[in-house]
Amino acid sequence: GAVVSQHPSWVICKSGTSVKIECRSLDFQATTMFWYRQFPKQSLMLMATSNEGSKATYEQGVEKDKFLINHASLTLSTLTVTSAHPEDSSFYICSARTDRGRMNTEAFFGQGTRLTVV
Amino acid sequence: AQSVTQLDSHVSVSEGTPVLLRCNYSSSYSPSLFWYVQHPNKGLQLLLKYTSAATLVKGINGFEAEFKKSETSFHLTKPSAHMSDAAEYFCVVSVSGNTGKLIFGQGTTLQVKP
Repeated sequence: GAVVSQHPSWVICKSGTSVKIECRSLDFQATTMFWYRQFPKQSLMLMATSNEGSKATYEQGVEKDKFLINHASLTLSTLTVTSAHPEDSSFYICSARTDRGRMNTEAFFGQGTRLTVV
Repeated sequence: AQSVTQLDSHVSVSEGTPVLLRCNYSSSYSPSLFWYVQHPNKGLQLLLKYTSAATLVKGINGFEAEFKKSETSFHLTKPSAHMSDAAEYFCVVSVSGNTGKLIFGQGTTLQVKP
């Protein structure tokens, strides 16, 4: 299957600082990338959908000015948590999808990033 | 709107016994359904997917699921549990329109006892 690499796998930052998380599709062109958030022992909640070269579409209740998403190329999307606070501590997971060929029925997930804000 | 409901938040089985993780879905059209597994602090791995082909879907690691439209179910089974199967399992339905958006169930924690 296709590989999606997420970096870093974990990060600790101070309250008030910003953190950037990268999501890369290594062997396919990701026309769409998704960012999810997962609280401990809970399911994944979709935060936003990004298409290469256009603005991200945020789910209801997600602050777009706090969670900045950039999808500048077909292999890279970034999520920046701005002015992080302890309540932003969570597990963030990206997934990538292509609308080309036989792979377009499946989304491929990164390994996740554990963010801890202290 | 699409939704999935995983009927058990926690399932405990003994090693070597069958596994059944239950999932019901709601969709106004013919859905694509998936089962993903997540080990602690890890990303998600696709176990299997149903995309309107055969109703009995075989996945990796001996798992399989049967799509039953009449029951709106997509239960995950495995004949014999292994210790390494202990993890969190998510039943997932795709949103209509081929957008790639996925809706996750609440998750089922599978515990495998020796």
